[in-house]
Amino acid sequence: GEDVEQSLFLSVREGDSSVINCTYTDSSSTYLYWYKQEPGAGLQLLTYIFSNMDMKQDQRLTVLLNKKDKHLSLRIADTQTGDSAISFCAERTSGTYKYIFGTGTRLKVLA
Amino acid sequence: ETGVTQTPRHLVMGMTNKKSLKCEQHLGHNAMYWYKQSAKKPLELMFVYSLEERVENNSVPSRFSPECPNSSHLFLHLHTLQPEDSALYLCASSHQTGGSTEAFFGQGTRLTVV
Repeated sequence: GEDVEQSLFLSVREGDSSVINCTYTDSSSTYLYWYKQEPGAGLQLLTYIFSNMDMKQDQRLTVLLNKKDKHLSLRIADTQTGDSAISFCAERTSGTYKYIFGTGTRLKVLA
Repeated sequence: ETGVTQTPRHLVMGMTNKKSLKCEQHLGHNAMYWYKQSAKKPLELMFVYSLEERVENNSVPSRFSPECPNSSHLFLHLHTLQPEDSALYLCASSHQTGGSTEAFFGQGTRLTVV
């Protein structure tokens, strides 16, 4: 079945870059998403990438997709304390309503 | 009112109680979702409704009963829950299955079963 995996924790120093990794199993995934969840809140979309792309840059965020290895990463440049949150990777196949999420990676930014 | 709104934000209920969670979206979307979020586990998709018709039902115990009276409202009726059902229940909505369409989430209902 479909599965999305992420490491649970990541700590970085303020101003450094963070890289959050994700692997997925569904080869028919069409869209891959990164969501953010702050304490007491729902999930907010950070960015997404279409499966025929290798990279997408959106201000401080860079998404890299290795479709052969089914590996997705999110790089946050100049990480700030406000970036502290849980980041979720998710995948979806076009034509379906099924978003499959990972466990989330808790990003802690140290001042 | 904008986005996806869930009520109540917090709920404590006994194992013999019956309660309902409510979700409302003001985005004109045609699909609505219930997810369960437990610590250190992936978000679990529980139910999906598209145009008020259930399209996904992921082996959820019958003590959880969804209802979608129209495309803007979604309920989750709860009865005789177990302590392991304590979790954050998230509602989401999306527009269509084609394109990059993202799911928009509510803030969740924190449920504690005692």
